[in-house]
Amino acid sequence: QKEVEQDPGPLSVPEGAIVSLNCTYSNSAFQYFMWYRQYSRKGPELLMYTYSSGNKEDGRFTAQVDKSSKYISLFIRDSQPSDSATYLCAMSAGSGGSNYKLTFGKGTLLTVNP
Amino acid sequence: NAGVTQTPKFRILKIGQSMTLQCTQDMNHNYMYWYRQDPGMGLKLIYYSVGAGITDKGEVPNGYNVSRSTTEDFPLRLELAAPSQTSVYFCASRPPGNEQFFGPGTRLTVL
Repeated sequence: QKEVEQDPGPLSVPEGAIVSLNCTYSNSAFQYFMWYRQYSRKGPELLMYTYSSGNKEDGRFTAQVDKSSKYISLFIRDSQPSDSATYLCAMSAGSGGSNYKLTFGKGTLLTVNP
Repeated sequence: NAGVTQTPKFRILKIGQSMTLQCTQDMNHNYMYWYRQDPGMGLKLIYYSVGAGITDKGEVPNGYNVSRSTTEDFPLRLELAAPSQTSVYFCASRPPGNEQFFGPGTRLTVL
């Protein structure tokens, strides 16, 4: 079983739709959960960061973590064509010191059609 | 700040050739990382460094070497290039905390 599983898609939605992106993981030591957005031929950029379980909202984006189910989600409301990108989940057991290393999902390619 | 810069942007190598991928950051971050990204495979950690003079292996270090003589620079060396090293390579740096800042990547093809 891979440490982090993410459906690669591709996912195609109409503009204005609600998008749900998900990852599951097997390592119960993971405590720090992130979503990175990667536009085509660019480097990833941090979109959302969550510690432990719970929800975090930032504008149209909501990140959810359910540690009991080892499941994380990213919701995008009122999706826009500019949201078209690959979304990578990432997680770590460490807190930012030298033992902090990210494990990434494979990424989900999202296209929002005008 | 320029952030994290990588050179070259593209490169084609022949099997057995060597090259160095350059990475520089101007944010005074101690932590730096090298990843490779294969299509549909996410990011795999090759090497990382927690400060000048200190490096360690990541998940897929075979065929690569690194050095960290300054805080700013973290070059990745490929010796005896192989087709399996065809990939997109990303360098990242991190301040204390959890956000990694990525460079724009180097697309490498080994033929």
